[in-house]
Amino acid sequence: DAGITQSPRHKVTETGTPVTLRCHQTENHRYMYWYRQDPGHGLRLIHYSYGVKDTDKGEVSDGYSVSRSKTEDFLLTLESATSSQTSVYFCAISEQNQASYGYEQYFGPGTRLTVT
Amino acid sequence: DAKTTQPPSMDCAEGRAANLPCNHSTISGNEYVYWYRQIHSQGPQYIIHGLKNNETNEMASLIITEDRKSSTLILPHATLRDTAVYYCIVRVAGGTASKLTFGTGTRLQVTL
Repeated sequence: DAGITQSPRHKVTETGTPVTLRCHQTENHRYMYWYRQDPGHGLRLIHYSYGVKDTDKGEVSDGYSVSRSKTEDFLLTLESATSSQTSVYFCAISEQNQASYGYEQYFGPGTRLTVT
Repeated sequence: DAKTTQPPSMDCAEGRAANLPCNHSTISGNEYVYWYRQIHSQGPQYIIHGLKNNETNEMASLIITEDRKSSTLILPHATLRDTAVYYCIVRVAGGTASKLTFGTGTRLQVTL
């Protein structure tokens, strides 16, 4: 399994509080991603990174910010958590596969966040 | 990225082959077909991908039609542990990041 960890794995927080989720990788992959998954939906991309300090928005980025100060860590911050941000958050990493020209993504175990 | 269409659910008996179809009629020449699966509550898992040739690895086979407008993921001997949601995704290779767009996938139920 790819070396990807997420912390915390579970968190309950109150509306209006800031929350930071951490994704840590040991694979030295260039690309990192944050997705959220809600019941009845597939995964939706929040933000992604294509290198240290290089990030961009995904399809559901409102209310979220990210930072990547080193290759192995990608942080997702909810500046002021809302109940609509209750979700399961997945981190993923990828790198170009020189043999297949693909960019397979490998996912972490997820963080279940509940905003009350 | 091209849109994909998958049946919402399928059943398969354990030990039999599971054939999961995917339609991607608007696929472009530089777009690959990727398959991922998600076992309950876990992060998605990469299975296989291909451009136009059929592909096989230790997990599955991918059959892409000659016109590339559809594909089939084959699990040759399904087990109970293959029960999951399977996602077919079409995207270009390369670029600044390999962003994936997940649909709702096919829920495969493997039964005894």
